[in-house]
Amino acid sequence: NAGVMQNPRHLVRRRGQEARLRCSPMKGHSHVYWYRQLPEEGLKFMVYLQKENIIDESGMPKERFSAEFPKEGPSILRIQQVVRGDSAAYFCASSAGLGASYNEQFFGPGTRLTVL
Amino acid sequence: QKEVEQNSGPLSVPEGAIASLNCTYSDRGSQSFFWYRQYSGKSPELIMSIYSNGDKEDGRFTAQLNKASQYVSLLIRDSQPSDSATYLCAVPDDNRLAFGKGNQVVVIP
Repeated sequence: NAGVMQNPRHLVRRRGQEARLRCSPMKGHSHVYWYRQLPEEGLKFMVYLQKENIIDESGMPKERFSAEFPKEGPSILRIQQVVRGDSAAYFCASSAGLGASYNEQFFGPGTRLTVL
Repeated sequence: QKEVEQNSGPLSVPEGAIASLNCTYSDRGSQSFFWYRQYSGKSPELIMSIYSNGDKEDGRFTAQLNKASQYVSLLIRDSQPSDSATYLCAVPDDNRLAFGKGNQVVVIP
């Protein structure tokens, strides 16, 4: 299966703990995007990364949230000191590139984060 | 920041009928448009991309783009219960996709 992979699919954390969400892009894709979807709300962009570079993090909260896409391994979205408001579905998407495919983005299955 | 509007409320259609969904966007310079389907509790799935004015057909789905009026629509012909989902319209906005809030479609057997 060459689709976008995310793990874990479900993650439960207590307030104050850290959450680490992982995403492996589709084979052949080098662009990774993270989106958040709150219950009954739309998808909101968080961050766009290429290998070893954060290209656009304008949608990500300045505090407690960080993202990386190392040379080797998956992209990671990290949320420190989680609060109940962080409970949401976090989706990763990947694309082949802005010019090559008109920014068609393919989504992974998501990680559903629940903060107790 | 580009805005994408999907204003219709939930749409109920009888099985076999045509479901029609509309989406308007704010940036006249937008060049590509996408429709995603999202089943409850699942991730968005790309079902249609359209780049040129006019119609694009793929199976039972037809996307219609009118750049002058800044709207893109999705028609689902011969609607099936399996089409019951939320349909999201999306437009590239710099390095991201800007999504509408979605239209829920319920196909009644």
